[in-house]
Amino acid sequence: KAGVTQTPRYLIKTRGQQVTLSCSPISGHRSVSWYQQTPGQGLQFLFEYFSETQRNKGNFPGRFSGRQFSNSRSEMNVSTLELGDSALYLCASTPGQGITDTQYFGPGTRLTVL
Amino acid sequence: AQSVAQPEDQVNVAEGNPLTVKCTYSVSGNPYLFWYVQYPNRGLQFLLKYITGDNLVKGSYGFEAEFNKSQTSFHLKKPSALVSDSALYFCAVRGLNTGFQKLVFGTGTRLLVSP
Repeated sequence: KAGVTQTPRYLIKTRGQQVTLSCSPISGHRSVSWYQQTPGQGLQFLFEYFSETQRNKGNFPGRFSGRQFSNSRSEMNVSTLELGDSALYLCASTPGQGITDTQYFGPGTRLTVL
Repeated sequence: AQSVAQPEDQVNVAEGNPLTVKCTYSVSGNPYLFWYVQYPNRGLQFLLKYITGDNLVKGSYGFEAEFNKSQTSFHLKKPSALVSDSALYFCAVRGLNTGFQKLVFGTGTRLLVSP
């Protein structure tokens, strides 16, 4: 079974631009979560989607948004990019909403904001 | 609030020696604990998890972890380290009040295994 895939793997943008990152979960997985990883803040939860509905959101400004499609694929969008948005953005999927479910992570998208 | 502490930024061990990477947690109710490993320029790879039952959990690549409720710890161990185990290790917790699938991660511990 194929793992979680994320596109693109690398992205370079300038301040003020917007960006869209894509995540395809493991086949059959219906829950997708996003995390931001930076050297200074570590791994921080962005949001979680299940059945096209946002179930949980982390403490990030409204510039960060996401959505999930009927095939469980998910996208996240960052508008008006700031230098501090440079990070590795990780997507993870789980089969459902079980509290014991394991999250399986994709390779991430490395975003650099200049 | 739920939290995880990994007190060591880096752990150094010689190949063939046992290794321990420490993790303590704070969560309301029963904890659900996870260990992940990250290699350079890669995502997180699942190693093992504790849900309930036996306090010693066995996972991938010879790793195991011991859950200790009284000490609120979940240390990762391996009897004999390999150079290829060198990577960044993250402990994570999920609790009833964490919110659905959200994981709260520690700051990570870099493991360096020398030949």
